[in-house]
Amino acid sequence: AQTVTQSQPEMSVQEAETVTLSCTYDTSESDYYLFWYKQPPSRQMILVIRQEAYKQQNATENRFSVNFQKAAKSFSLKISDSQLGDAAMYFCAYSSEGAQKLVFGQGTRLTINP
Amino acid sequence: DAGVIQSPRHEVTEMGQEVTLRCKPISGHNSLFWYRQTMMRGLELLIYFNNNVPIDDSGMPEDRFSAKMPNASFSTLKIQPSEPRDSAVYFCASSLVTGGASPLHFGNGTRLTVT
Repeated sequence: AQTVTQSQPEMSVQEAETVTLSCTYDTSESDYYLFWYKQPPSRQMILVIRQEAYKQQNATENRFSVNFQKAAKSFSLKISDSQLGDAAMYFCAYSSEGAQKLVFGQGTRLTINP
Repeated sequence: DAGVIQSPRHEVTEMGQEVTLRCKPISGHNSLFWYRQTMMRGLELLIYFNNNVPIDDSGMPEDRFSAKMPNASFSTLKIQPSEPRDSAVYFCASSLVTGGASPLHFGNGTRLTVT
């Protein structure tokens, strides 16, 4: 079974600086998808960014980018120019090719210091 | 697009009572998921449906839990009888599966407290 590990329960960063959240996963599959979701205090899960394993190019969405290292099974999220509104729990998630369900990591709580 | 709608937002009940959580997926989506979130176990998939048919219910904890999807626009998750250890936030999510990565769209969740 696939597993997703987020080794940083909590992270903090100064406003306007850059922070990187770590995620590793375990799978024997070659085709899969990876996601980062954000859960602010409002509780709703919001998709931040996604990456297809067959793509070598790292995904980017505005201030959010990933560092996808397939051989190392690593999928980190970089947030540039951190803003107060970025404060939230961040979850890394995995989905197999052809499967629809997501397997989530335990989450990283990100605090933004003004 | 109204998003995934869950009700109630909060539910407090006594042990032994029946609890029913409701979900309306995004119109046109063909897959629906029920997740449970707790501090100890994180986000766990309970069950998911594809075209109203249950595909994988291996995450349903025990027979006290049941889920139905009578049509494409409505699903319920029922716990009978409820126990204190069922206290958690229950999320419903939907997606449109067209091949490839299909992001899940989550509702705001139902916080269940069983006393």
